Amino acid sequence: KQEVTQIPAALSVPEGENLVLNCSFTDSAIYNLQWFRQDPGKGLTSLLLIQSSQREQTSGRLNASLDKSSGRSTLYIAASQPGDSATYLCAVSRGSTLGRLYFGRGTQLTVWP
Amino acid sequence: EAGVAQSPRYKIIEKRQSVAFWCNPISGHATLYWYQQILGQGPKLLIQFQNNGVVDDSQLPKDRFSAERLKGVDSTLKIQPAKLEDSAVYLCASSAGTGGSEQYFGPGTRLTVT
Repeated sequence: KQEVTQIPAALSVPEGENLVLNCSFTDSAIYNLQWFRQDPGKGLTSLLLIQSSQREQTSGRLNASLDKSSGRSTLYIAASQPGDSATYLCAVSRGSTLGRLYFGRGTQLTVWP
Repeated sequence: EAGVAQSPRYKIIEKRQSVAFWCNPISGHATLYWYQQILGQGPKLLIQFQNNGVVDDSQLPKDRFSAERLKGVDSTLKIQPAKLEDSAVYLCASSAGTGGSEQYFGPGTRLTVT
């Protein structure tokens, strides 16, 4: 059974810092990995999707890397801002037909001015 | 492009009552998912539809939960009868292709069972 772990569970940093959020998964036979953002009382917003054949994806100040063989992904946030405060969730999928996403519990990020 | 729509946003019911949630996916998206997110945890898949057929319902508590997707567009998720442990946020998501495509989530329905 696939298990996804995210470290740290919570992170509080001053504005402007560069951050690294970690995600690990137990079964390396994944199809893709997605990073999401969840604001309080809201749904999930997709940030980045990395296919299993890819090593990284970038969008603005966000960069996500994937090392499938070691079962790890990192989300790098450059020059953090208070608006980045949210819970960040990592999820992996098994295959091209079964779209079930296995989620971690998330990292709750607070960026203070 | 309109996102995934869900209603109601909030619902409070007593245990043993029934409740239904509605989801309208992004136009043209063939695959629809229902997830349950208990406070402090990541979402867990309940059911996946491909058009109006069920692809994966292995984690759906079928003695009390049911879901349908008529005409391959809108979907409803029903709980009957509800238990205290069903208190959670119910998230609907859709994707353009088959499973494995990028998933887009709605705002969710927060259910409280008292």
